[in-house]
Amino acid sequence: GAVVSQHPSWVICKSGTSVKIECRSLDFQATTMFWYRQFPKQSLMLMATSNEGSKATYEQGVEKDKFLINHASLTLSTLTVTSAHPEDSSFYICSAIGARYEQYFGPGTRLTVT
Amino acid sequence: GESVGLHLPTLSVQEGDNSIINCAYSNSASDYFIWYKQESGKGPQFIIDIRSNMDKRQGQRVTVLLNKTVKHLSLQIAATQPGDSAVYFCAEKESGGGADGLTFGKGTHLIIQP
Repeated sequence: GAVVSQHPSWVICKSGTSVKIECRSLDFQATTMFWYRQFPKQSLMLMATSNEGSKATYEQGVEKDKFLINHASLTLSTLTVTSAHPEDSSFYICSAIGARYEQYFGPGTRLTVT
Repeated sequence: GESVGLHLPTLSVQEGDNSIINCAYSNSASDYFIWYKQESGKGPQFIIDIRSNMDKRQGQRVTVLLNKTVKHLSLQIAATQPGDSAVYFCAEKESGGGADGLTFGKGTHLIIQP
């Protein structure tokens, strides 16, 4: 149990385009999900907290208009990187909160902006 | 271990030996700590956790030690195996904020030599 999936697992897009990444909790409901970003050989950095039915909460320094988060159901949160640029190339990882506040991580999405 | 600049510290041990990975944290209000294992191109995988009312917790082949006085956490892996090769991260949060995101440490790359 407690499986979190992400789609796509990798994506290449051109500079200036937008990309949507999905995070799904497959066998449990998650009112709260998180989005992290990880650059090569670095740690995970929390970007935002995604709350079902309400606006996301962004960490300091993360542009909310650039990284759009939608958590329309208890099993799905989406992250849209708008007007992507090469510096947005990164590994994006989501996690979902279980019933006892434990975090289950997805497998990550590799974004490459050319 | 803590990283310097953008490079993850590396710990190389012989297969079968024990390894100790260290982590320093800075938030004295953190009272819940977790160790994660991350293989290349994958999301973090939960290893073991510990709350601040404990100073030691054991799992299968792993032990976590917590020293709150000096804000230090360590992960001991006994009888290392090739499959233990990965990057290991500590993470922390204030458990009073049950649905809060995690703050990750900088990671250590563990290499198991045959």
